Amino acid sequence: EVQLVESGGGLVQPGGSLRLSCEASGLTFNTEWMTWVRQAPGKGLEWVANIKDDGSQKYYVDSVKGRFTISRDNAKNTLYLQMNSLRVEDTAVYYCATHSNWVFGFWGQGTLVTVSS
Amino acid sequence: QSALTQPASVSGSPGQSITISCTGTSSDIGGYNYVSWYQQYPGKAPKLMICDVSKRPSGVSYRFSGSKSGNTASLTISGLQAEDEADYYCASYTSSAQWVFGGGTKLTVL
Repeated sequence: EVQLVESGGGLVQPGGSLRLSCEASGLTFNTEWMTWVRQAPGKGLEWVANIKDDGSQKYYVDSVKGRFTISRDNAKNTLYLQMNSLRVEDTAVYYCATHSNWVFGFWGQGTLVTVSS
Repeated sequence: QSALTQPASVSGSPGQSITISCTGTSSDIGGYNYVSWYQQYPGKAPKLMICDVSKRPSGVSYRFSGSKSGNTASLTISGLQAEDEADYYCASYTSSAQWVFGGGTKLTVL
C-alpha cells in the first residue's frame, strides 16, 4: 500500500521560512516523479512544483519561483519543499503526491502551513 | 497561467447523469491529452478518478467517464449516487511545462 506522510507545517510569520517533508513507502520512490500541490482554506487546488525521479528536473508555478525549492533524498524515500520569504497568500494545506505518467496518482493527507503575524 | 474554468456547482438526483465541464486553452487542454480529474471529500485528500482524458484507473467505478473536445474536457457521472457528492477538479499539463487545475465544482446529489 502506497503511503505518503507530510510533516513540517505550522505557523510562521510573513518573511519566514519552513521546510516540508513527505516520507514515502509502499512504492519504488526513485522511479517516481513527485509533486507538491496546495489548497488555501476554502479554495481550490493549486499545483506548486514537481521534480523528476532522479532530481535532475524541477518545475515551479510562477508565484513561488525564487522562493520555494523542491528536492528529494531517494536514499531516505523523502520529498522536501523548502519555503522561504513566505507570504500570507502561501497559507494552505500542502499535499505531496506521486506524479508519474502525467497524473497525480497517490496523495498524502496534507500538512497545514499558516503564514500570519 | 490562469486556472481552468469549471462551473462552481452542479446537482442531480440519484440515478441521473451529470456532466462537469473544464475549459482551458490551446496551451493546455487543447494541446495535450494529459487531462485528469480528481474527487475530493471535505477535509480529505483528492483522489484520481480519470487520467489521460478518458482512462479510468483501477478501482474507479465505470460510472465515471471523461472526454475532450477542443479546449474543453468533461467528466460525466452516470447513475448518480449519494456517495458521489464531493468536489471535483480537472487538471492539465501546459505548454510552460507547468500544471494547472480547474477552480473546482461542488456536486450536490439531491
